[in-house]
Amino acid sequence: QKEVEQNSGPLSVPEGAIASLNCTYSDRGSQSFFWYRQYSGKSPELIMSIYSNGDKEDGRFTAQLNKASQYVSLLIRDSQPSDSATYLCAVNMGEGDMRFGAGTRLTVKP
Amino acid sequence: NAGVTQTPKFQVLKTGQSMTLQCAQDMNHNSMYWYRQDPGMGLRLIYYSASEGTTDKGEVPNGYNVSRLNKREFSLRLESAAPSQTSVYFCASSENFGYGYTFGSGTRLTVV
Repeated sequence: QKEVEQNSGPLSVPEGAIASLNCTYSDRGSQSFFWYRQYSGKSPELIMSIYSNGDKEDGRFTAQLNKASQYVSLLIRDSQPSDSATYLCAVNMGEGDMRFGAGTRLTVKP
Repeated sequence: NAGVTQTPKFQVLKTGQSMTLQCAQDMNHNSMYWYRQDPGMGLRLIYYSASEGTTDKGEVPNGYNVSRLNKREFSLRLESAAPSQTSVYFCASSENFGYGYTFGSGTRLTVV
């Protein structure tokens, strides 16, 4: 069974803190990994992609990948109220078969 | 630059009716996808298309058909709508397989 698992939350952090979002996946052969942000009532928006083990940083966002542990994470530094959204982890499990987790709802409190 | 355009944005169907959801992208992407999103279940892949002229089934294809009309357009058809097809439908495109997606704004479909 091809699965992507995320803690549904809600995850609540104070403004300025680091938010840590986690994701595990079932297909050991997966090669590409993504994080999307989805505001309520809107469509998902790509914020990070990562293809190799280690960290990838883009502004306040850092994606971390550990293929041996089948684990992907997203860190959001200096969290802002505007970061409050649902974050979707997505894993490409072969050809066009991109699987999404159910999402983690993040709330950043002023 | 519109990105991915979906129509309609909202639709109410009666059980047994048919309809086609339209999707078009202007980013010269090769690959296109249809997903449905239900509360608590995340996005589930219905059909996808690697390139013009090719389509493949995803995780939940039953009750749906697709047409990759040309490189820009990828339509989703419900031949006989059922209440279980009540959902939000998203079209997406990517440069190729393995790249990140650009999503359309979605179609909220209710089948009564």
